Amino acid sequence: GAVVSQHPSWVICKSGTSVKIECRSLDFQATTMFWYRQFPKQSLMLMATSNEGSKATYEQGVEKDKFLINHASLTLSTLTVTSAHPEDSSFYICSPIWGQSDEQYFGPGTRLTVT
Amino acid sequence: GENVEQHPSTLSVQEGDSAVIKCTYSDSASNYFPWYKQELGKRPQLIIDIRSNVGEKKDQRIAVTLNKTAKHFSLHITETQPEDSAVYFCAASHPGNQFYFGTGTSLTVIP
Repeated sequence: GAVVSQHPSWVICKSGTSVKIECRSLDFQATTMFWYRQFPKQSLMLMATSNEGSKATYEQGVEKDKFLINHASLTLSTLTVTSAHPEDSSFYICSPIWGQSDEQYFGPGTRLTVT
Repeated sequence: GENVEQHPSTLSVQEGDSAVIKCTYSDSASNYFPWYKQELGKRPQLIIDIRSNVGEKKDQRIAVTLNKTAKHFSLHITETQPEDSAVYFCAASHPGNQFYFGTGTSLTVIP
């Protein structure tokens, strides 16, 4: 399977600060990146979809000004949680795909805790 | 959009017994149906998948069946072992599109 890295693996931050999460596809070019969020004991919920070089498309209920997504290259996408609040505490997982591939691989995830 | 439902939400079986998890989907355009196993605090791991041109697929103790007409697919785990205990998610998609996940099934295999 594809190799996907995510950094950091976990982060604790204070309310009001911003956190940047990086997702890298190490052995293929990610034309599309999905960002998911998973709350405890719940399923993965899609937050946004980004295509390389384009603005991200956000799912209903996800604030685009709060969750900034940058997909400037085919191997790197970043998600920045701005002015984080305790309710943003969650497991964030990226998933890159190439072209029209139907196989989806997940990054190892980032556990964000906002105190 | 697609709507994927998954049942049961929790499942306990004795070691050695079989476990079956079922999912239904709504979008007839979906043609790819993966199953993921997620252990606590870890990323989902693909365990088996099936495409719409196939009715059944098996990999050792794991099998998946698909009924396109009824829009449902199922995961079958035989001879369950304690290490099979995890949360299992089904998903549906078509190429290049997002995955729609089921709500998950927490499987516990009792030794």
